[in-house]
Amino acid sequence: GDSVTQMEGPVTLSEEAFLTINCTYTATGYPSLFWYVQYPGEGLQLLLKATKADDKGSNKGFEATYRKETTSFHLEKGSVQVSDSAVYFCALSGYSGGGADGLTFGKGTHLIIQP
Amino acid sequence: NAGVTQTPKFRILKIGQSMTLQCTQDMNHNYMYWYRQDPGMGLKLIYYSVGAGITDKGEVPNGYNVSRSTTEDFPLRLELAAPSQTSVYFCATHLATRGNEQFFGPGTRLTVL
Repeated sequence: GDSVTQMEGPVTLSEEAFLTINCTYTATGYPSLFWYVQYPGEGLQLLLKATKADDKGSNKGFEATYRKETTSFHLEKGSVQVSDSAVYFCALSGYSGGGADGLTFGKGTHLIIQP
Repeated sequence: NAGVTQTPKFRILKIGQSMTLQCTQDMNHNYMYWYRQDPGMGLKLIYYSVGAGITDKGEVPNGYNVSRSTTEDFPLRLELAAPSQTSVYFCATHLATRGNEQFFGPGTRLTVL
């Protein structure tokens, strides 16, 4: 079945550092890929998404490119802020128009940004 | 427009008790989902529904039941609570035409003692 693997945390960085959180996936067909963010005590919010190979999703300075050849969707940000501290989830959907059986999530990466 | 709302926010149950977690959405989305989130384990799909009157099992349905009598509501029922059901439960919705982006509620933190 489908699966998502992302780097284990916590990841601790200083403010203004460069961020990469790795995500690779296994899926049949052509899944859509997502990054969700969860702030303490809150639900998940969509950060960005990509629906086909070579698409780049971007939002709030974060970017991720859908790489089918390496089955990856790594999250990057050039200069992190303390407010970026949260848990980040990579997810995929095998939905291709015929049904919607939920998202498959990675285990999450806890990001801590120190001032 | 409240989006996805869940009640209660927190609950403590004793083993063997039952309860219903409520989920309501006002976005007129046809698809709804229940996930559980365990520490360090990501989210696992419990049940989902593609419209009123239609539900189906996800990855971890044992110990739970759902119903979908209206588009807006998708309650999750625990009949005989067990410590293994201690978790944070999230409801989510999806409009099929939006590329499967899902919208999440704030969650219910359940502890079974």
